[in-house]
Amino acid sequence: AQSVTQPDIHITVSEGASLELRCNYSYGATPYLFWYVQSPGQGLQLLLKYFSGDTLVQGIKGFEAEFKRSQSSFNLRKPSVHWSDAAEYFCAVGLSNFGNEKLTFGTGTRLTIIP
Amino acid sequence: DAGVIQSPRHEVTEMGQEVTLRCKPISGHDYLFWYRQTMMRGLELLIYFNNNVPIDDSGMPEDRFSAKMPNASFSTLKIQPSEPRDSAVYFCASTRGGRDNEQFFGPGTRLTVL
Repeated sequence: AQSVTQPDIHITVSEGASLELRCNYSYGATPYLFWYVQSPGQGLQLLLKYFSGDTLVQGIKGFEAEFKRSQSSFNLRKPSVHWSDAAEYFCAVGLSNFGNEKLTFGTGTRLTIIP
Repeated sequence: DAGVIQSPRHEVTEMGQEVTLRCKPISGHDYLFWYRQTMMRGLELLIYFNNNVPIDDSGMPEDRFSAKMPNASFSTLKIQPSEPRDSAVYFCASTRGGRDNEQFFGPGTRLTVL
């Protein structure tokens, strides 16, 4: 069965600093990978997704993620965070031929931004 | 587009009562998903539908939970009887399906069972 691990429960970074959120997956076949963001009291919003091709994926709000098959990782990065990036971030793996059904989510990483 | 609509946004009920959560997916989307989010278990998929037909309900915790999708624009998640451990945020999401389409989430229903 597929699984997703986000080893960092909570990360605090200074505004303007760079960010990297870790995600490791376990899945026997080629994974379909996603990063979602959840602001307080809101639903989840897709930041970016990887299905195939270029392993460096660009998303919204200045985020990017890199798929590394050898490390079973799909880490999320941003060169300079803004206070509005404070939220909870979820990595997910898709299980199906279509890649968008039955997502399995990680437990999330809460991001705090300090001035 | 109004996005995925869920009602109510907040529900407080007493143990033993029936609770019904409602979801209106985005028009044209043929997949609908129900998730539950708790601090202890994170975000769990409960059930999902394709073209109004339940495809996988293996995440439904027990018989007290049931979900229906009578038409393409409406789904319900019912808990009867409710228990305090059902307290959570319940999300509905929809998508057109296919690898290039993302799941769009509703704002969620925060359920508190006293």
